[in-house]
Amino acid sequence: GDSVTQMEGPVTLSEEAFLTINCTYTATGYPSLFWYVQYPGEGLQLLLKATKADDKGSNKGFEATYRKETTSFHLEKGSVQVSDSAVYFCALSDNYGQNFVFGPGTRLSVLP
Amino acid sequence: NAGVTQTPKFRILKIGQSMTLQCTQDMNHNYMYWYRQDPGMGLKLIYYSVGAGITDKGEVPNGYNVSRSTTEDFPLRLELAAPSQTSVYFCAINSGRGNEKLFFGSGTQLSVL
Repeated sequence: GDSVTQMEGPVTLSEEAFLTINCTYTATGYPSLFWYVQYPGEGLQLLLKATKADDKGSNKGFEATYRKETTSFHLEKGSVQVSDSAVYFCALSDNYGQNFVFGPGTRLSVLP
Repeated sequence: NAGVTQTPKFRILKIGQSMTLQCTQDMNHNYMYWYRQDPGMGLKLIYYSVGAGITDKGEVPNGYNVSRSTTEDFPLRLELAAPSQTSVYFCAINSGRGNEKLFFGSGTQLSVL
């Protein structure tokens, strides 16, 4: 079945550092890809998404590009802030956008 | 427009007790989901529903039951609570139209002691 793999955390960075969180997937067909973020005590919320190969999703300075050849959707940000501290989940949905598979999540801590 | 509302936020149960986790949405979305989140394990799908009167099992349905009598409500029932059901539970909704995101509730933290 479909699956999502993320880099192990936790990731600890200093403010203004460059962030990369790796995500790779296994899926049949043409899934949509998502990054969700979970702040402490809250539910997950969508950070960005991409629906087809070579699409780039972006939001709040975060970016990720749908790479079909490497089955990857790595999350990047050029300069992280303390407020970016959260858990980040990579996810995919099937061709119909009805079934979602999540990675295990990567905890990010940004220090001032 | 509250989106997805979950109650309660926290609950402690004794082994063998039962309870219902409530989920209500006001976005008129057809698809509703229940996930559990265990530390370091991501989200696992328990049950989902594609519309009123229709429910189906997800990846980890054992020990749970659901019903969907209306578009708005999708309660999750634990009949005989076990320590293995200690987790954070999230309800989510989706329009089902394809390429759409999930909207999540704020979660219910359940401990079974």
